[in-house]
Amino acid sequence: ETGVTQSPTHLIKTRGQQVTLRCSSQSGHNTVSWYQQALGQGPQFIFQYYREEENGRGNFPPRFSGLQFPNYSSELNVNALELDDSALYLCASSPGTNSYEQYFGPGTRLTVT
Amino acid sequence: AQSVTQPDIHITVSEGASLELRCNYSYGATPYLFWYVQSPGQGLQLLLKYFSGDTLVQGIKGFEAEFKRSQSSFNLRKPSVHWSDAAEYFCAVGAFGEAAGNKLTFGGGTRVLVKP
Repeated sequence: ETGVTQSPTHLIKTRGQQVTLRCSSQSGHNTVSWYQQALGQGPQFIFQYYREEENGRGNFPPRFSGLQFPNYSSELNVNALELDDSALYLCASSPGTNSYEQYFGPGTRLTVT
Repeated sequence: AQSVTQPDIHITVSEGASLELRCNYSYGATPYLFWYVQSPGQGLQLLLKYFSGDTLVQGIKGFEAEFKRSQSSFNLRKPSVHWSDAAEYFCAVGAFGEAAGNKLTFGGGTRVLVKP
């Protein structure tokens, strides 16, 4: 059974640019959640996708957007990057939107300069 | 809105000694509580969870946690720490359902250092 995978592992972007991060959910999981973890802090919920629809959103501006595909993989897109967007972005999958267990991937480290 | 407080930012413990990490939560309904561990450069691994029933829950790697509703606490314990337990530990409360937003709310984490 393959766990949650994320790509890329690291990337560096310039302020104002756009970035796309990718996540493949664990086999059999149809729900994907995204979290932002700034250095020295706990993860913060960005949004969740269930059956290709956004199913809950945290306190993040609209320049953070996402997609979920029919195979349940997901993308996180961030437009107009700001320095404060530098963080570890974590993806978590779960077997249903009412499942209380989320399985996390290793994360993508984004640095904005 | 739910929140989680982990009062200890860093804890240093000797190998073989016991460990207790504190977690206090705020949530209006019955909480779903979790402890995760994060090793450097890694994602989060679920150690244990509490949904209902027995207030003392057992997890992986020899960890346990006790839910105390009267104190709004969910402290994590391990009787004898191994060097491989050095990591960052996060307590989280889960809010699920359309009104709640389907999310985990995490504390700020406690970094555990293990002395030989």
